[in-house]
Amino acid sequence: GAVVSQHPSWVICKSGTSVKIECRSLDFQATTMFWYRQFPKQSLMLMATSNEGSKATYEQGVEKDKFLINHASLTLSTLTVTSAHPEDSSFYICSALLADLSYNEQFFGPGTRLTVL
Amino acid sequence: GESVGLHLPTLSVQEGDNSIINCAYSNSASDYFIWYKQESGKGPQFIIDIRSNMDKRQGQRVTVLLNKTVKHLSLQIAATQPGDSAVYFCAETPSRGNNRLAFGKGNQVVVIP
Repeated sequence: GAVVSQHPSWVICKSGTSVKIECRSLDFQATTMFWYRQFPKQSLMLMATSNEGSKATYEQGVEKDKFLINHASLTLSTLTVTSAHPEDSSFYICSALLADLSYNEQFFGPGTRLTVL
Repeated sequence: GESVGLHLPTLSVQEGDNSIINCAYSNSASDYFIWYKQESGKGPQFIIDIRSNMDKRQGQRVTVLLNKTVKHLSLQIAATQPGDSAVYFCAETPSRGNNRLAFGKGNQVVVIP
């Protein structure tokens, strides 16, 4: 159980286009999901917290108009990279929060490799 | 943007030996710590966690040690196997009420058959 999927697993796009990445919790509901970005040989950096039915909370330095997040249902959050540029090329990873009585655990998706030409 | 020339600290270990991976954290208010394993091109995979009211926790072939005095966390892997080759990250969160995770820099483990 507690599987998180991402789609697409990789995408190549031209500079200036927008790219949407989906994050789905397959067998549980998640009111909270997180979006991370990871550059090669580096750690995961939290970009934003996605809350179902409300606005996302962005980390300092992350442009909300650049990285649009929509969490329209309890199993789906989307990240749209608008007007993508080569510097946005990265590995984008989402996680979904499974909340139960004893602890909250994040389950991570497999990641989406974005390459902007 | 991307940084070039970076490399992760790498631990090369012979198959069957024990591995120890270390992590220093800076937030003395952190209450909950997790070790993740990340294989190339994949998302992080939960290994083991520990709360700040504990100093040791054991799982299957893994042990996490927490030293709050020096803000140090370690992961011990017993009888390391080729499948353990990956990058290992520690992560911390101020409390379970605050679920935002801050990841450490990562350590590459290479298991030599």
